[in-house]
Amino acid sequence: ETGVTQTPRHLVMGMTNKKSLKCEQHLGHNAMYWYKQSAKKPLELMFVYSLEERVENNSVPSRFSPECPNSSHLFLHLHTLQPEDSALYLCASSHLRDGTSPLHFGNGTRLTVT
Amino acid sequence: AQSVAQPEDQVNVAEGNPLTVKCTYSVSGNPYLFWYVQYPNRGLQFLLKYITGDNLVKGSYGFEAEFNKSQTSFHLKKPSALVSDSALYFCACSGTYKYIFGTGTRLKVLA
Repeated sequence: ETGVTQTPRHLVMGMTNKKSLKCEQHLGHNAMYWYKQSAKKPLELMFVYSLEERVENNSVPSRFSPECPNSSHLFLHLHTLQPEDSALYLCASSHLRDGTSPLHFGNGTRLTVT
Repeated sequence: AQSVAQPEDQVNVAEGNPLTVKCTYSVSGNPYLFWYVQYPNRGLQFLLKYITGDNLVKGSYGFEAEFNKSQTSFHLKKPSALVSDSALYFCACSGTYKYIFGTGTRLKVLA
């Protein structure tokens, strides 16, 4: 049990679809993150929310739209994706905002864009 | 800009032998350094961290890491490898909000 739950675990979508990824953390953390993990590439930081305010947006295309309605939930809304967006999307949370607290990850959503 | 480098894509070691997974960092100011492990179809799992203090940091599952400021390294070690240690290992450094990860090293422990 990781304390960070991501749904769905797997998602296949066409390029014209709209879908959302959901993340929920049960750890009382105050920061949440979206990362993209592609084969043979470093983990890419996409978005960071701290106390429900977006504090980092790492030049991510607008077809990815994050939402953080409260400190426990984080969404990633997807629309008109491209095949190169196929990857493992990881949500994480942390307790402190000064970089000394480790990240706690969910098990990810494996996204395939057809 | 902060960065970490993991020079080896893969490390093979025989079960029972000591293992080392290498990481070097480039950080301005005091480095906050982490090791994570990823098993198949799972997210990353925190192993250990260096914030300040002792250069030898002990973590989960018998792993430890040695912080070396002069060599800007933070290598992950274990005295005796297990087949179940086979996984993908990531080194990371952090600043406010930003956790920067290395490219990962695949560890294979051979029975």
